[in-house]
Amino acid sequence: DGGITQSPKYLFRKEGQNVTLSCEQNLNHDAMYWYRQDPGQGLRLIYYSQIVNDFQKGDIAEGYSVSREKKESFPLTVTSAQKNPTAFYLCASTMTGGNTEAFFGQGTRLTVV
Amino acid sequence: RKEVEQDPGPFNVPEGATVAFNCTYSNSASQSFFWYRQDCRKEPKLLMSVYSSGNEDGRFTAQLNRASQYISLLIRDSKLSDSATYLCVVRPSGGYQKVTFGTGTKLQVIP
Repeated sequence: DGGITQSPKYLFRKEGQNVTLSCEQNLNHDAMYWYRQDPGQGLRLIYYSQIVNDFQKGDIAEGYSVSREKKESFPLTVTSAQKNPTAFYLCASTMTGGNTEAFFGQGTRLTVV
Repeated sequence: RKEVEQDPGPFNVPEGATVAFNCTYSNSASQSFFWYRQDCRKEPKLLMSVYSSGNEDGRFTAQLNRASQYISLLIRDSKLSDSATYLCVVRPSGGYQKVTFGTGTKLQVIP
């Protein structure tokens, strides 16, 4: 079945460490997105990518980095520069153009310990 | 002005009530619109698409008002299980333009 997969589901990180969240899709979607969600808050866009080898900063890109070397994959690295990384991270993908909806992964819950 | 704006709520309504949410968008070239539902600590899931002619699915009705640049979601006969956050999604027409998600409106249906 086609879908979008995030891993791991839960992740614990020590302060000062970088950590990479995985997002893979087999929907042949061009566009992929990373969002952060804090408790009781809405989605905030971190980065998005419309095509391979290209990505754009969202509203809260500081302290994060991404790569898009393959169409299927859009990993997010939470760096030590991110001062408050504990949050729920959601990855989404869409086809470019057309009227189709966005698909979400199940999310990764990152906790800094 | 934000690209997509929603009242964050919460909307607290009694069971059986009718409740409506609006979502305004700033890009007049926006082409496709959707409503998503997000339960606590879960990913958003598609609730329904919003067509120019409106769209109804059981107790849920979605409308598009292009002149005033907003979409709406109406929930009739609210159930306890409708308690969730409702996000609107706006897609521009053509090419490589990003999809924009609203931050969501929280609904709490109370017994």
